[in-house]
Amino acid sequence: EAGVTQFPSHSVIEKGQTVTLRCDPISGHDNLYWYRRVMGKEIKFLLHFVKESKQDESGMPNNRFLAERTGGTYSTLKVQPAELEDSGVYFCASSQDLTGYGYTFGSGTRLTVV
Amino acid sequence: QKEVEQNSGPLSVPEGAIASLNCTYSDRGSQSFFWYRQYSGKSPELIMSIYSNGDKEDGRFTAQLNKASQYVSLLIRDSQPSDSATYLCAVNIKSSTSGGGADGLTFGKGTHLIIQP
Repeated sequence: EAGVTQFPSHSVIEKGQTVTLRCDPISGHDNLYWYRRVMGKEIKFLLHFVKESKQDESGMPNNRFLAERTGGTYSTLKVQPAELEDSGVYFCASSQDLTGYGYTFGSGTRLTVV
Repeated sequence: QKEVEQNSGPLSVPEGAIASLNCTYSDRGSQSFFWYRQYSGKSPELIMSIYSNGDKEDGRFTAQLNKASQYVSLLIRDSQPSDSATYLCAVNIKSSTSGGGADGLTFGKGTHLIIQP
């Protein structure tokens, strides 16, 4: 079984540019989550999809962040325009059952905004 | 503010000894508790989950939960150098908009564990 796939693994962009991160969950997993870890801080929840619907986006920092999951398969997280404080590692996770237990995390995208 | 607190370490333990990792949480309504292991540059990997008071054992790992004290711990017996990693405590939070189903997790900053050969 393929795991959760994220790409790119690394991205370096200039302040003000746009970046799109992609996450491919494990096939058949309805639940998809985005998390972020900023340097020196804990991993923080951003949002949760159930299939193509946003179940909870209470952790999204501001309206520069836009997540989509068209068709309930892969998801994208767009940052536009990027700011320096957006630098960090963005993790995606998926789970099969509706309880959300037993996440499988992707390896993350390290975003550096310069 | 829902928080999960962990000592960042590093916690240094000799090989073969018991490593004890601790975590406290602030939300008394929390229901589910998880320990993740994260090697440097890698993704978090779930190693234990616990939902009720008491101990839960899985191989060399034992998770302990005390809801009255809002405390959860992880014991690693017969510690091996390969256990050296950052251990993340995570607590299930309830979404204000969720009518059920899956929820996000609140993580601690993690404890860096070093097993000395």
